[in-house]
Amino acid sequence: NAGVTQTPKFQVLKTGQSMTLQCAQDMNHEYMSWYRQDPGMGLRLIHYSVGAGITDQGEVPNGYNVSRSTTEDFPLRLLSAAPSQTSVYFCASSPTRTGFLNYGYTFGSGTRLTVV
Amino acid sequence: EDKVVQSPLSLVVHEGDTVTLNCSYEVTNFRSLLWYKQEKKAPTFLFMLTSSGIEKKSGRLSSILDKKELFSILNITATQTGDSAIYLCAVVNYGGSQGNLIFGKGTKLSVKP
Repeated sequence: NAGVTQTPKFQVLKTGQSMTLQCAQDMNHEYMSWYRQDPGMGLRLIHYSVGAGITDQGEVPNGYNVSRSTTEDFPLRLLSAAPSQTSVYFCASSPTRTGFLNYGYTFGSGTRLTVV
Repeated sequence: EDKVVQSPLSLVVHEGDTVTLNCSYEVTNFRSLLWYKQEKKAPTFLFMLTSSGIEKKSGRLSSILDKKELFSILNITATQTGDSAIYLCAVVNYGGSQGNLIFGKGTKLSVKP
């Protein structure tokens, strides 16, 4: 039972490079989301999806793209990395689009990204 | 603007002490409040609180919600070094058919032997 799997665990990018953070869940969860966690800022929502083919912006979406072609996968793309995107990124999922109301979220183990 | 405020931001105690962590909130469509414990990696779920005045308890941890005064507390009694972590409070903001969790900045608890 893998739960929510994030890859890579660590990444260093140069300014201007692009990359994709991967998130996969094997629980058939409808709802998936991406958060970033910065010191003193807590967890902030980047993008979320309530099902395959449906995505929406969260609190801090600029500089990030997402897509949801399958229920299992929800990749986060950095188009042109900037030092301000240095952070720890968490993927989280919930059984249904309203399942988090009763179950909260299941979090992945995070990706620590450094942009130099 | 919806917000969740936790206090204190950090706390250092000794084993055996009792601690109280605070979470206050202002959200448009409050549905419930959650507490998470974050050690080195992913946050792990502790409690979900929906109704005022009903204490949730798990071992040495307990939590209660006051929907009138818009706050919750998380109590940890007889603290152990394994309680050292960041404790996150999150509020479910849900209106119509959309909603999400709004997180506070967390309280970093350090328990010294």
